[in-house]
Amino acid sequence: EVQLEESGGGLVQPGESLRLSCAASGFIFSSYSVNWVRQAPGKGLEWISYISDSSTWYADSVRGRFTISRDNDKNSLFLQMNSLRVEDTAIYYCARDHEWHFDLWGRGTLVVVSS
Amino acid sequence: QTVVTQEPSFSVSPGGTVTLTCGLNSGSVSTSHFPTWYQQTPGQAPRTLIYYTNSRSSGVPDRFSGSIIGNKAALTITGAQADDESDYYCVLYVDSAHWVFGGGTKLTVL
Repeated sequence: EVQLEESGGGLVQPGESLRLSCAASGFIFSSYSVNWVRQAPGKGLEWISYISDSSTWYADSVRGRFTISRDNDKNSLFLQMNSLRVEDTAIYYCARDHEWHFDLWGRGTLVVVSS
Repeated sequence: QTVVTQEPSFSVSPGGTVTLTCGLNSGSVSTSHFPTWYQQTPGQAPRTLIYYTNSRSSGVPDRFSGSIIGNKAALTITGAQADDESDYYCVLYVDSAHWVFGGGTKLTVL
């Protein structure tokens, strides 16, 4: 089955770090660019990061604090989140990039930043 | 700062037609922004409805269609059904900011 599955979410305090993972299966992961998209509770979707085989992009809201990476041998995508803020509380989705849209989404992992 | 605008809410009668729009604060939306529309129901991941402005994703009923109307991208639902009641998000590709989502439209079917 073609799918993405996020993990690594949890409750952390402001200023702490967390590393999210996204496991891909059922397709050739290395052939696709992938993204992280988040959704704060009760709010809309926010694109935050993208990685291809040669480039990375970040939204202004996370640039300098979050780092996206991938391990094609392990069919995995990662998001290292440092200096977390209360406003980073959200469900984090990984999403496959195909034909200029996000054609495959995971179910998301919840990150709560609270003291 | 790039802002993508959507109607916060919309209502349509069952069987009716509704057009949701997606605008850009910095100017007109065009096909080069690769407008994409997603549908999201509570507790679920988004589902692609329309990409490349007007291409319907696999399995999406043909009552959903995408277009450019004036200076905005548009999603039209023709013959709305009860299970179309969802949140709808558009997203645009903007060079300087990569992908920018609109705030979403909550569609009520009643």
